[in-house]
Amino acid sequence: NAGVTQTPKFQVLKTGQSMTLQCAQDMNHEYMSWYRQDPGMGLRLIHYSVGAGITDQGEVPNGYNVSRSTTEDFPLRLLSAAPSQTSVYFCASRTGTGYQPQHFGDGTRLSIL
Amino acid sequence: AQSVTQLGSHVSVSEGALVLLRCNYSSSVPPYLFWYVQYPNQGLQLLLKYTSAATLVKGINGFEAEFKKSETSFHLTKPSAHMSDAAEYFCAVSAAGGGSNYKLTFGKGTLLTVNP
Repeated sequence: NAGVTQTPKFQVLKTGQSMTLQCAQDMNHEYMSWYRQDPGMGLRLIHYSVGAGITDQGEVPNGYNVSRSTTEDFPLRLLSAAPSQTSVYFCASRTGTGYQPQHFGDGTRLSIL
Repeated sequence: AQSVTQLGSHVSVSEGALVLLRCNYSSSVPPYLFWYVQYPNQGLQLLLKYTSAATLVKGINGFEAEFKKSETSFHLTKPSAHMSDAAEYFCAVSAAGGGSNYKLTFGKGTLLTVNP
């Protein structure tokens, strides 16, 4: 029962570097999303996907790219890391029905120096 | 548009005391409402959800919440706090209907401290 798996758990980058945060779910969920969590800000939606091949922007999409080639995977790409992207990133998934709760991964703690 | 306001970023209670965490929402359509808990260095776990059935919702670990449409509130309560309840709690709203694709909007969180 893996649920939502995020890798890596921790990462330190230098400004300007790029990287991909991985997210995989084994529950055959249609909907997947990425959030960032910053102190005192709650969780803010970066990007989301309602199914393979379909993605859309959330509240704070700048500096991030996503794609969804399979139902299981939803990677988040930082093209050119900036210190303002230092945060904890959470991936979540749920079925296609809006009243179902989202299942969260354990997060990736990212520091940009 | 939808939004969530959690009153009090930090709540401190004694062990055995009542826990009350406040949440008010704004939504132009009937909402789905959720409470999540986050323990240190972990992801979010669902405590309970309101999906337009019963207005009093019971969740895990003895928590419950009451949906009050007239007050646009969904406060979380627990009669007797345990040390293990110390965590951060997030209220969230998802819009039912419309073109929002049921995006989840979170409040800023309330950190619960339980004193022995």
